[in-house]
Amino acid sequence: GAVVSQHPSWVICKSGTSVKIECRSLDFQATTMFWYRQFPKQSLMLMATSNEGSKATYEQGVEKDKFLINHASLTLSTLTVTSAHPEDSSFYICSAIQGAGQPQHFGDGTRLSIL
Amino acid sequence: DAKTTQPPSMDCAEGRAANLPCNHSTISGNEYVYWYRQIHSQGPQYIIHGLKNNETNEMASLIITEDRKSSTLILPHATLRDTAVYYCISTGTGNQFYFGTGTSLTVIP
Repeated sequence: GAVVSQHPSWVICKSGTSVKIECRSLDFQATTMFWYRQFPKQSLMLMATSNEGSKATYEQGVEKDKFLINHASLTLSTLTVTSAHPEDSSFYICSAIQGAGQPQHFGDGTRLSIL
Repeated sequence: DAKTTQPPSMDCAEGRAANLPCNHSTISGNEYVYWYRQIHSQGPQYIIHGLKNNETNEMASLIITEDRKSSTLILPHATLRDTAVYYCISTGTGNQFYFGTGTSLTVIP
């Protein structure tokens, strides 16, 4: 149980386009979802915390207008990278929890490459 | 910012126990200690978590010191598939994870 699915797993697109990444909790309802970014040979960096039906809370230094997060239901959150540029190329990972104090369950990540 | 510190790398012989230490000296009373591992190009995998008491599951054991300032993850019989980066994370009521640099464990045949 506690499976989190991310889609797509890999995307390559041209500079200036917008890219949407989906994160779904398949077998549980997620009260909170999280979005992370990971650069090569580095650790995961928390970008934002998303609660269903409310605005996401972004970490310091993360541009909310560039990384749009929508959490429309208890099983789906989306991250849209707007007007993507090569420096946005990274590994984006989502996670979800069923409730406070519960472990985060992670998706398998989306590798984004901007040409 | 991450509130845990771990050695950057460790080696372990296949079949032996792997003991991975973590310092979380600023942990507060309501903060859990979580352990995850990440194999290259995958999302982190949950291993175990605890608050005060030692915990054991089918994957590992977690030993938390009485003062809760440090913990040790024990993989009882390491296999080659246990080669990964292991992260120790402490979190409070906000449930946010701030990852440190983790320990890169290499299991040697």
